[in-house]
Amino acid sequence: EAGVTQFPSHSVIEKGQTVTLRCDPISGHDNLYWYRRVMGKEIKFLLHFVKESKQDESGMPNNRFLAERTGGTYSTLKVQPAELEDSGVYFCASSQDLGLAGGPLNEQFFGPGTRLTVL
Amino acid sequence: AQSVTQLDSQVPVFEEAPVELRCNYSSSVSVYLFWYVQYPNQGLQLLLKYLSGSTLVKGINGFEAEFNKSQTSFHLRKPSVHISDTAEYFCAVMSHRKIIFGKGTRLHILP
Repeated sequence: EAGVTQFPSHSVIEKGQTVTLRCDPISGHDNLYWYRRVMGKEIKFLLHFVKESKQDESGMPNNRFLAERTGGTYSTLKVQPAELEDSGVYFCASSQDLGLAGGPLNEQFFGPGTRLTVL
Repeated sequence: AQSVTQLDSQVPVFEEAPVELRCNYSSSVSVYLFWYVQYPNQGLQLLLKYLSGSTLVKGINGFEAEFNKSQTSFHLRKPSVHISDTAEYFCAVMSHRKIIFGKGTRLHILP
């Protein structure tokens, strides 16, 4: 079974440009999460989709970031316009939905990440 | 709010020696704790998790961790490390389905 995949693996863009990151979750996983790690900091939660709906977007840093999950399959995270402080590694994760009773049993499986460098 | 503190950003250890990576958490509610590992050029992989029950949790690759409620700690241990354990290790806690990570500890294995 294929794991979580992310594309591209690396992206180098200039300040002010737009970048779109893609995440393909494990097939059948309704939950999809985005996290990022900026240089020297901890990995931080960005948002959580349940199917195509945003369940929690409390971690999105500002309105330059737009996440979508049309059709409840893959997700994209667009940064427009990119700023220097957006550089970092963006991780995607997915999990099954065991419902509220599942709680922490909804193990999140992570992708390899996309390394974004904004110059 | 829940938080995780990893006291050591880097830990050098000789091959075949034991290692302990420290982690402390703060939480006012039920705690679900995790250790993830990121090998070079790879994604995050779950090493082990504590949900409830026995405070000693065994994970993959010979790692184990002990949940200590009184000390709010969840230290990771391995009795004998190998070169292949070179990686960055993240302690984490789950809060409302999102994972809160520590800053990570880089484990350097010395020959």
